[in-house]
Amino acid sequence: DTGVSQNPRHKITKRGQNVTFRCDPISEHNRLYWYRQTLGQGPEFLTYFQNEAQLEKSRLLSDRFSAERPKGSFSTLEIQRTEQGDSAMYLCASSRDRATDTQYFGPGTRLTVL
Amino acid sequence: KNEVEQSPQNLTAQEGEFITINCSYSVGISALHWLQQHPGGGIVSLFMLSSGKKKHGRLIATINIQEKHSSLHITASHPRDSAVYICAVAGGSEKLVFGKGTKLTVNP
Repeated sequence: DTGVSQNPRHKITKRGQNVTFRCDPISEHNRLYWYRQTLGQGPEFLTYFQNEAQLEKSRLLSDRFSAERPKGSFSTLEIQRTEQGDSAMYLCASSRDRATDTQYFGPGTRLTVL
Repeated sequence: KNEVEQSPQNLTAQEGEFITINCSYSVGISALHWLQQHPGGGIVSLFMLSSGKKKHGRLIATINIQEKHSSLHITASHPRDSAVYICAVAGGSEKLVFGKGTKLTVNP
């Protein structure tokens, strides 16, 4: 257990539905990252927060995706109008401050879109 | 071409063998991370390097900044080392760019 938790661990949904995932980072960590990983591939960066500010978003993050970290603590990732191509493992990680700091990963949320 | 290339993609070894996994990258970096991912998804950070060499137990990581290359070595490999090993680099922005991973299987 790294201290980063994600809920739910698994989500099965039908195409067109909205889904929301939650990440609880290590409490003193200012940085929170979201990644997506498909089978056989390394994780891909989606977005990251410094406290409550969202500082960078990947081009992978279409307008159907939105992420928040309202009080600089937990974060949510919402996908609207899900598509089959959204099926993946969604990983959250936190670190103290910079990308050069060790990142602690949560167990991930596996999304299956039918 | 991916910014981070790992080799080999798959590696099968016998227990006790010395393992080397390589990572090459094409951008300037501030740090390189080696990560371990077990079946089921959990990722654990093994090393963060910006220069030189680090050792933790049977694991050794080295980096050559001039050659843009890093290696992860496992001495006296054990079946519990079986996992996917991922190299990731922190470049000009604060995000990590990941390699595709090397799947290691250590047979008893």
